Amino acid sequence: AQSVAQPEDQVNVAEGNPLTVKCTYSVSGNPYLFWYVQYPNRGLQFLLKYITGDNLVKGSYGFEAEFNKSQTSFHLKKPSALVSDSALYFCAVRPLTSGTYKYIFGTGTRLKVLA
Amino acid sequence: DTAVSQTPKYLVTQMGNDKSIKCEQNLGHDTMYWYKQDSKKFLKIMFSYNNKELIINETVPNRFSPKSPDKAHLNLHINSLELGDSAVYFCASSLPSGNTDTQYFGPGTRLTVL
Repeated sequence: AQSVAQPEDQVNVAEGNPLTVKCTYSVSGNPYLFWYVQYPNRGLQFLLKYITGDNLVKGSYGFEAEFNKSQTSFHLKKPSALVSDSALYFCAVRPLTSGTYKYIFGTGTRLKVLA
Repeated sequence: DTAVSQTPKYLVTQMGNDKSIKCEQNLGHDTMYWYKQDSKKFLKIMFSYNNKELIINETVPNRFSPKSPDKAHLNLHINSLELGDSAVYFCASSLPSGNTDTQYFGPGTRLTVL
């Protein structure tokens, strides 16, 4: 079965430190990969995506993600965390073999940046 | 200029009632979705429409019926509401061709069934 795993329910990091939010996937073929962020009582907002090309993708608010095909991972990173980055982060995958526009979301990781 | 809008934002109702949630997008997208986010924040796709045609139906009870009168609208009607239907429902849209394959989400509708 196709799936997306975010192994950490919560990640705590001190402000100014680098952060990593992990995502691995189990999908056949070469899927599209996404990160979304959800602030309290809001809908999800797009951060970045990997379609093809350079394995390091840069996105909004200083976030970047590294695609690793051999490890089927797409970890979200930021060199220096801000308190305002505290939110719920979702990794998502769109398999290209299904023929339908189906996205599979991970279970979400709550990021807490401490001042 | 709201890209994806949903109404109502909050919906509180009794078990057994029928209710509808409306969604509209002004992005010119071809594909629209309904997602359910439960109390643990798990996000699960329910339906997807492409050009008013149903393309994904994810084992959702048939009490849930989506309706797409045109490409810009995807409404969700729920019959005989149950306690377990309490959740936040998100509408989203995308233009899944080429590199513009990004989903845009509405603000959500918090449904509480008493």
